Amino acid sequence: SQQGEEDPQALSIQEGENATMNCSYKTSINNLQWYRQNSGRGLVHLILIRSNEREKHSGRLRVTLDTSKKSSSLLITASRAADTASYFCATASNDYKLSFGAGTTVTVRA
Amino acid sequence: DAGVTQSPTHLIKTRGQQVTLRCSPKSGHDTVSWYQQALGQGPQFIFQYYEEEERQRGNFPDRFSGHQFPNYSSELNVNALLLGDSALYLCASSLFEDFNEKLFFGSGTQLSVL
Repeated sequence: SQQGEEDPQALSIQEGENATMNCSYKTSINNLQWYRQNSGRGLVHLILIRSNEREKHSGRLRVTLDTSKKSSSLLITASRAADTASYFCATASNDYKLSFGAGTTVTVRA
Repeated sequence: DAGVTQSPTHLIKTRGQQVTLRCSPKSGHDTVSWYQQALGQGPQFIFQYYEEEERQRGNFPDRFSGHQFPNYSSELNVNALLLGDSALYLCASSLFEDFNEKLFFGSGTQLSVL
């Protein structure tokens, strides 16, 4: 079973618009990470936010974390065609694994 | 600096056969984790190897086994293949102390079971 669940499952936006996706999880975490996957190949780490942080920025990415609601959001600003990909949240708890959600597929239209 | 490499990239097997997938971690990394990703789903944790030992295992049957070698490379073996084993198998590496911080993934092995 998946620890995290992303919402929406799919998102289609125009180039230059912002994309927002959400992740909800079930158990307490040490940190939450976001990964990108292009065309069903390897995942690339985007950003990590720790359980004691509320917001983090990296370039055009903004991540928020609300541990009281067990949820996180990823905002991609000024989207580009190259941002077309699947995005996954992954939670890290007190074990040796990352638990991934089912992902949000983002399509950026030119 | 080579990243995580996996071989083969694609594989076709029939039900009941056995398969071995290989992974070389990113240079300097000592920990390897394996994930199974079914079509349209997120990666599911299979197991993690560090110091040539399995440190943690996900909810996968004993048909799934692994090994880590002294050079930190790793193999994933699946016996008695089922149609449901068709998936993308991803290897991820890290330093052990960073395994919950950031994983580096290979491009995966696409396994098709007919």
